[in-house]
Amino acid sequence: GQSLEQPSEVTAVEGAIVQINCTYQTSGFYGLSWYQQHDGGAPTFLSYNALDGLEETGRFSSFLSRSDSYGYLLLQELQMKDSASYFCAVYNTNAGKSTFGDGTTLTVKP
Amino acid sequence: KAGVTQTPRYLIKTRGQQVTLSCSPISGHRSVSWYQQTPGQGLQFLFEYFSETQRNKGNFPGRFSGRQFSNSRSEMNVSTLELGDSALYLCASSSWGSTGGYEQYFGPGTRLTVT
Repeated sequence: GQSLEQPSEVTAVEGAIVQINCTYQTSGFYGLSWYQQHDGGAPTFLSYNALDGLEETGRFSSFLSRSDSYGYLLLQELQMKDSASYFCAVYNTNAGKSTFGDGTTLTVKP
Repeated sequence: KAGVTQTPRYLIKTRGQQVTLSCSPISGHRSVSWYQQTPGQGLQFLFEYFSETQRNKGNFPGRFSGRQFSNSRSEMNVSTLELGDSALYLCASSSWGSTGGYEQYFGPGTRLTVT
C-alpha cells in the first residue's frame, strides 16, 4: 500500500522560515507534489519533485530525497496569507493515481 | 482557460436519499479524479476517469459510483446516503505539467451534508 506522514500542525511567526516534512512509503514512486489549501477553499498545486534535490519557486521551495523516501516544503519570509493546510502527495505509476497525506495546518502569527 | 467547476456547491440531503454531483474539467483535460475530504481522514481517493473509462477506484463501497461523458464532464453518484457521507467532495482535472509532474487542478468542491 501507500502511506504518507506529515506533521499535523506547525506554527511560525511572520517573516520566519518554516519546513514541513513528508515521508512516504509507496511502490512505483513517480514524484512528490505539494498542495496548499486555505480554509473553505480548494487545494492548489504548489510544486513537484521527481528528482532528488531542491526546486525553488519564489518564497516556496520543495526538496526530495528518493533514497530516504522523504521530502519537505520550505516556506520563507512567511506572510499571514500563508496560513493554510499543506498536503504532500505521491503519484504512483503502478496504481495510476495520487495518494495524499493528511495535511499540515500552518498557522502564521504576527 | 476556465478552471474546474463543480455543481452544486452546497447540498443537504437526508439519510437514505441519493445524490449526483457534477464536475467540468479544464478544457482539454481528459482525466478527472474525485476525492472525499473530511476533517479526520484528509483527502481520500474515490475514482478516476479518463476518456469515459474508469481507470482507478479507491476503497469506497459500491454506493459510490461515477461516470464520464464524451466532453470529459464527470458525475459522481452516492446512493443510500449515510451520515458518514457528509464531506467535501472535490473533483480534480489532471495533466502532465511543465514541471514534468502529475499536476492536479481542483474545483471548489461540493459540501454535502447528510442529516
